[in-house]
Amino acid sequence: EAGVAQSPRYKIIEKRQSVAFWCNPISGHATLYWYQQILGQGPKLLIQFQNNGVVDDSQLPKDRFSAERLKGVDSTLKIQPAKLEDSAVYLCASSLAVKLGSQQETQYFGPGTRLLVL
Amino acid sequence: AQSVAQPEDQVNVAEGNPLTVKCTYSVSGNPYLFWYVQYPNRGLQFLLKYITGDNLVKGSYGFEAEFNKSQTSFHLKKPSALVSDSALYFCAVRDRDRGSTLGRLYFGRGTQLTVWP
Repeated sequence: EAGVAQSPRYKIIEKRQSVAFWCNPISGHATLYWYQQILGQGPKLLIQFQNNGVVDDSQLPKDRFSAERLKGVDSTLKIQPAKLEDSAVYLCASSLAVKLGSQQETQYFGPGTRLLVL
Repeated sequence: AQSVAQPEDQVNVAEGNPLTVKCTYSVSGNPYLFWYVQYPNRGLQFLLKYITGDNLVKGSYGFEAEFNKSQTSFHLKKPSALVSDSALYFCAVRDRDRGSTLGRLYFGRGTQLTVWP
């Protein structure tokens, strides 16, 4: 079974530029997550999709970050304009998550996109 | 509020010795608890989880963790460490009583495990 795919793996941009990340979840997984992992910290949830609907975006800086999952499969996360403090690894995860408390609750992570904002 | 504490930034152990990576949590309801491992330049890999039932959970690569409700802890253990176990370990918690919110995991800051040959 293929895992969660992300691209690009690395990105270097200057502040105030825009950047986009792509994620392809495990086939059949209804739920998709984007996390931000700043160096020395654990991942922090930015946004969660259930199929193509947003379940939780309470920690997404909506003035500069946006995400979509139009067909309920792939997702893109965009930052516009980027700030120095956005330098981090952006992790995408997916889970089957059909029912709360079921075995499907495990989240499976992709390799991440390492962003450096200069 | 939900949170996870990993009190040790680093754990060093000799190969063949037992290892413990500590985790304590705080949730308003009953917890789901997870351990993930992260190797350099790679994403998080799932190790094990506690949902319900037996307090001792066995996971991948010989790891196990014990859920202790009274101490609100979920320490990761392995009887005999390998050099290849050297990595960054994250504990995470989700409050199972948050109704329809399926996903949000709260992660600790991570513990760097180094196993010396």
